[in-house]
Amino acid sequence: GAGVSQSPSNKVTEKGKDVELRCDPISGHTALYWYRQRLGQGLEFLIYFQGNSAPDKSGLPSDRFSAERTGESVSTLTIQRTQQEDSAVYLCASSLVPNGDTIYFGEGSWLTVV
Amino acid sequence: GNSVTQMEGPVTLSEEAFLTINCTYTATGYPSLFWYVQYPGEGLQLLLKATKADDKGSNKGFEATYRKETTSFHLEKGSVQVSDSAVYFCALTQRGAAGNKLTFGGGTRVLVKP
Repeated sequence: GAGVSQSPSNKVTEKGKDVELRCDPISGHTALYWYRQRLGQGLEFLIYFQGNSAPDKSGLPSDRFSAERTGESVSTLTIQRTQQEDSAVYLCASSLVPNGDTIYFGEGSWLTVV
Repeated sequence: GNSVTQMEGPVTLSEEAFLTINCTYTATGYPSLFWYVQYPGEGLQLLLKATKADDKGSNKGFEATYRKETTSFHLEKGSVQVSDSAVYFCALTQRGAAGNKLTFGGGTRVLVKP
Protein backbone atom coordinates (compact mmCIF):
# COMPACT_ATOMS: atom_id res chain seq x y z
CA GLY A 1 0.00 0.00 0.00
CA ALA A 2 0.91 3.66 -0.07
CA GLY A 3 1.77 3.83 3.62
CA VAL A 4 1.86 1.78 6.80
CA SER A 5 -1.70 0.93 7.76
CA GLN A 6 -2.80 0.02 11.28
CA SER A 7 -6.08 -1.20 12.71
CA PRO A 8 -8.02 -0.56 14.78
CA SER A 9 -7.24 3.12 15.04
CA ASN A 10 -8.92 3.22 18.45
CA LYS A 11 -9.70 0.41 20.87
CA VAL A 12 -11.26 0.57 24.32
CA THR A 13 -11.12 -2.69 26.22
CA GLU A 14 -11.84 -3.93 29.69
CA LYS A 15 -9.01 -4.90 32.00
CA GLY A 16 -8.24 -8.59 31.65
CA LYS A 17 -9.40 -8.92 28.04
CA ASP A 18 -7.08 -9.82 25.17
CA VAL A 19 -6.53 -7.43 22.25
CA GLU A 20 -5.03 -7.81 18.79
CA LEU A 21 -3.53 -4.92 16.86
CA ARG A 22 -2.83 -5.26 13.16
CA CYS A 23 -0.18 -3.69 10.95
CA ASP A 24 0.08 -3.69 7.15
CA PRO A 25 3.55 -2.43 6.22
CA ILE A 26 4.47 -0.68 3.00
CA SER A 27 4.49 -3.23 0.20
CA GLY A 28 7.94 -4.76 -0.27
CA HIS A 29 9.33 -3.59 3.06
CA THR A 30 11.16 -6.48 4.68
CA ALA A 31 11.70 -4.89 8.09
CA LEU A 32 8.80 -4.22 10.46
CA TYR A 33 8.85 -2.66 13.93
CA TRP A 34 6.43 -2.16 16.79
CA TYR A 35 6.79 0.75 19.21
CA ARG A 36 4.70 1.94 22.12
CA GLN A 37 4.07 5.56 23.09
CA ARG A 38 2.52 6.20 26.47
CA LEU A 39 0.79 9.50 27.07
CA GLY A 40 3.31 12.34 27.31
CA GLN A 41 6.28 10.05 26.86
CA GLY A 42 8.68 9.07 24.12
CA LEU A 43 8.55 5.97 21.97
CA GLU A 44 9.60 2.61 23.37
CA PHE A 45 10.83 -0.12 21.03
CA LEU A 46 8.94 -3.38 21.38
CA ILE A 47 9.96 -5.80 18.64
CA TYR A 48 11.60 -5.97 15.22
CA PHE A 49 10.83 -8.39 12.38
CA GLN A 50 13.08 -9.20 9.47
CA GLY A 51 10.85 -11.14 7.11
CA ASN A 52 8.77 -13.42 9.31
CA SER A 53 11.34 -13.88 12.05
CA ALA A 54 11.93 -11.62 15.05
CA PRO A 55 15.66 -11.20 15.73
CA ASP A 56 15.01 -8.60 18.39
CA LYS A 57 12.08 -8.82 20.77
CA SER A 58 13.96 -7.26 23.65
CA GLY A 59 11.42 -4.49 24.17
CA LEU A 60 8.36 -6.63 24.86
CA PRO A 61 7.43 -5.62 28.42
CA SER A 62 6.13 -8.97 29.63
CA ASP A 63 5.04 -12.41 28.49
CA ARG A 64 1.54 -11.01 28.03
CA PHE A 65 2.84 -9.37 24.87
CA SER A 66 3.50 -11.33 21.70
CA ALA A 67 3.72 -10.59 18.00
CA GLU A 68 3.84 -12.50 14.79
CA ARG A 69 4.31 -11.75 11.14
CA THR A 70 3.14 -13.87 8.25
CA GLY A 71 3.84 -13.81 4.54
CA GLU A 72 6.53 -11.19 5.11
CA SER A 73 3.68 -8.73 5.27
CA VAL A 74 0.99 -8.32 7.91
CA SER A 75 1.93 -8.35 11.58
CA THR A 76 -0.26 -8.77 14.64
CA LEU A 77 0.62 -7.58 18.13
CA THR A 78 -1.35 -9.42 20.81
CA ILE A 79 -1.72 -8.28 24.40
CA GLN A 80 -3.21 -10.86 26.73
CA ARG A 81 -4.99 -10.07 29.99
CA THR A 82 -4.68 -6.34 29.43
CA GLN A 83 -3.80 -4.05 32.30
CA GLN A 84 -4.40 -0.33 32.67
CA GLU A 85 -0.68 0.38 32.23
CA ASP A 86 -0.97 -1.09 28.72
CA SER A 87 -2.93 2.00 27.67
CA ALA A 88 -0.86 3.69 24.99
CA VAL A 89 -0.52 4.31 21.29
CA TYR A 90 0.99 1.29 19.56
CA LEU A 91 2.92 2.35 16.48
CA CYS A 92 3.98 0.10 13.65
CA ALA A 93 6.75 1.04 11.24
CA SER A 94 8.48 -0.51 8.28
CA SER A 95 11.58 -0.04 6.18
CA LEU A 96 12.72 -1.46 2.88
CA VAL A 97 15.83 -3.05 4.34
CA PRO A 98 16.88 -3.37 7.95
CA ASN A 99 20.05 -1.32 8.03
CA GLY A 100 20.41 2.38 7.51
CA ASP A 101 17.15 2.84 5.64
CA THR A 102 14.43 5.33 6.49
CA ILE A 103 11.69 3.97 8.73
CA TYR A 104 8.08 4.91 7.96
CA PHE A 105 5.44 4.94 10.67
CA GLY A 106 1.74 4.21 10.67
CA GLU A 107 -0.74 6.45 12.47
CA GLY A 108 -0.94 4.12 15.41
CA SER A 109 -3.55 2.18 17.33
CA TRP A 110 -4.80 4.01 20.42
CA LEU A 111 -5.48 1.46 23.15
CA THR A 112 -7.37 2.38 26.29
CA VAL A 113 -7.78 -0.22 29.03
CA VAL A 114 -10.57 0.60 31.46
CA GLY B 1 23.45 1.49 25.45
CA ASN B 2 22.23 4.16 23.11
CA SER B 3 20.28 7.12 24.41
CA VAL B 4 18.88 10.43 23.17
CA THR B 5 18.21 13.46 25.32
CA GLN B 6 16.22 16.42 24.08
CA MET B 7 14.98 19.55 25.73
CA GLU B 8 11.68 19.25 27.51
CA GLY B 9 8.72 21.26 26.35
CA PRO B 10 6.42 22.73 25.88
CA VAL B 11 8.07 25.44 23.85
CA THR B 12 5.72 28.32 23.09
CA LEU B 13 6.66 30.79 20.36
CA SER B 14 5.13 33.56 18.34
CA GLU B 15 4.86 33.26 14.59
CA GLU B 16 8.10 34.17 12.75
CA ALA B 17 10.21 33.52 15.84
CA PHE B 18 13.41 31.45 15.72
CA LEU B 19 13.12 27.89 16.97
CA THR B 20 15.86 25.71 18.42
CA ILE B 21 15.31 22.30 19.96
CA ASN B 22 18.43 20.82 21.53
CA CYS B 23 19.24 17.14 21.10
CA THR B 24 22.28 15.23 22.34
CA TYR B 25 22.99 11.55 22.05
CA THR B 26 25.07 8.73 23.43
CA ALA B 27 25.98 5.91 21.12
CA THR B 28 28.83 3.61 20.22
CA GLY B 29 30.11 3.68 16.70
CA TYR B 30 28.53 5.85 14.04
CA PRO B 31 24.81 6.35 14.41
CA SER B 32 22.47 7.92 11.90
CA LEU B 33 20.45 10.79 13.36
CA PHE B 34 16.85 11.76 12.69
CA TRP B 35 14.20 14.27 13.57
CA TYR B 36 10.63 13.01 13.44
CA VAL B 37 7.53 15.21 13.77
CA GLN B 38 4.07 14.32 15.01
CA TYR B 39 1.39 16.84 14.04
CA PRO B 40 -1.85 16.88 16.05
CA GLY B 41 -3.96 13.87 15.19
CA GLU B 42 -1.42 12.47 12.74
CA GLY B 43 1.21 9.76 12.68
CA LEU B 44 4.93 10.16 13.13
CA GLN B 45 6.68 11.55 10.05
CA LEU B 46 10.33 11.77 9.17
CA LEU B 47 11.34 15.44 9.07
CA LEU B 48 15.05 15.17 8.26
CA LYS B 49 18.08 12.98 8.75
CA ALA B 50 21.87 12.95 8.66
CA THR B 51 23.99 9.85 8.34
CA LYS B 52 27.53 11.03 9.03
CA ALA B 53 29.46 13.69 10.88
CA ASP B 54 29.06 17.27 9.59
CA ASP B 55 26.11 16.30 7.38
CA LYS B 56 23.24 18.78 7.45
CA GLY B 57 19.70 17.51 7.11
CA SER B 58 17.08 19.98 5.94
CA ASN B 59 13.38 19.97 5.10
CA LYS B 60 10.48 22.45 5.25
CA GLY B 61 12.82 25.20 6.47
CA PHE B 62 14.15 23.07 9.32
CA GLU B 63 17.84 22.23 9.60
CA ALA B 64 20.01 20.09 11.84
CA THR B 65 23.75 19.42 11.65
CA TYR B 66 25.36 16.19 12.85
CA ARG B 67 28.05 17.30 15.33
CA LYS B 68 30.15 14.34 16.37
CA GLU B 69 32.45 16.40 18.57
CA THR B 70 29.55 17.56 20.74
CA THR B 71 27.34 14.50 20.07
CA SER B 72 24.51 16.82 19.14
CA PHE B 73 21.87 17.21 16.45
CA HIS B 74 20.01 20.41 17.31
CA LEU B 75 16.94 21.31 15.26
CA GLU B 76 16.53 24.89 14.04
CA LYS B 77 14.08 26.91 12.02
CA GLY B 78 14.51 30.59 11.32
CA SER B 79 10.87 31.64 11.15
CA VAL B 80 8.17 29.35 12.48
CA GLN B 81 4.54 29.24 11.43
CA VAL B 82 1.42 28.19 13.29
CA SER B 83 1.41 25.03 11.17
CA ASP B 84 4.74 24.02 12.78
CA SER B 85 2.93 23.33 16.05
CA ALA B 86 3.68 19.68 16.74
CA VAL B 87 5.73 17.30 18.84
CA TYR B 88 9.30 16.84 17.63
CA PHE B 89 11.32 13.72 18.35
CA CYS B 90 15.07 13.31 17.98
CA ALA B 91 16.20 9.76 17.28
CA LEU B 92 19.17 7.65 16.29
CA THR B 93 19.76 4.31 14.73
CA GLN B 94 22.94 2.34 14.89
CA ARG B 95 24.24 1.76 11.41
CA GLY B 96 25.57 -1.70 10.83
CA ALA B 97 23.76 -3.22 13.75
CA ALA B 98 21.20 -5.89 13.09
CA GLY B 99 17.88 -4.31 12.42
CA ASN B 100 17.23 -0.63 12.24
CA LYS B 101 15.93 -0.01 15.74
CA LEU B 102 15.36 3.65 16.49
CA THR B 103 16.15 5.07 19.90
CA PHE B 104 14.00 8.14 20.59
CA GLY B 105 14.24 11.13 22.82
CA GLY B 106 11.25 12.03 24.94
CA GLY B 107 9.81 14.51 22.45
CA THR B 108 9.43 18.29 22.59
CA ARG B 109 6.02 19.87 22.14
CA VAL B 110 6.12 23.14 20.19
CA LEU B 111 3.21 25.55 20.15
CA VAL B 112 3.34 28.47 17.74
CA LYS B 113 0.85 31.26 18.41
CA PRO B 114 -0.35 33.72 15.76
